[in-house]
Amino acid sequence: GGIITQTPKFLIGQEGQKLTLKCQQNFNHDTMYWYRQDSGKGLRLIYYSITENDLQKGDLSEGYDASREKKSSFSLTVTSAQKNEMAVFLCASSWTGGSSYEQYFGPGTRLTVL
Amino acid sequence: GDSVTQTEGQVALSEEDFLTIHCNYSASGYPTLFWYVQYPGEGPQLLFRASRDKEKGSSRGFEATYDKGTTSFHLRKASVQESDSAVYYCALSPVNTGNYKYVFGAGTRLKVIA
Repeated sequence: GGIITQTPKFLIGQEGQKLTLKCQQNFNHDTMYWYRQDSGKGLRLIYYSITENDLQKGDLSEGYDASREKKSSFSLTVTSAQKNEMAVFLCASSWTGGSSYEQYFGPGTRLTVL
Repeated sequence: GDSVTQTEGQVALSEEDFLTIHCNYSASGYPTLFWYVQYPGEGPQLLFRASRDKEKGSSRGFEATYDKGTTSFHLRKASVQESDSAVYYCALSPVNTGNYKYVFGAGTRLKVIA
């Protein structure tokens, strides 16, 4: 089996600060995703990448940048953290080429902005 | 675009009660439908999936049947336990070539009281 690792687990930042979240997977999956999870709002897609050096915007990409320099890693940057922002950011990965493939999720990074 | 609707935002039950969480979807073609479960501090994990009309998915006593006629995939369990307390997400896979986006419902928080 494989695993998805997200670092850090908890991230506390100041308003206006640039913050970076990292994700590593050892499934050898092609596609990786970043989601934002707010209470009662489900999972909202921020960015995804179908192969290294590829980036695709999701529904919530404004205010974020992403980077996929290796097949196994996918980073997300909050370009200017907003005060009172609190959410969990989830990284996921999956095979491509078939609709029955599931997504595998990491444990999440919990962001708090002071 | 594709969408998933979960009717219940929160459900509170006593142990041994019967559980139903409603999931309706809107999508072209035949997406694979998933149920994920998320425990506190963890990422969502696959409970089960179904890919064809009338196919039943099941795991750990939970089950759901793919119904294309009513575009539904309702989650059921005959007798819940306190350990089933979690957030449950219904989701559908990307169908068309070149589409890599999974679509998630808003989630249903289940609390089971001993």
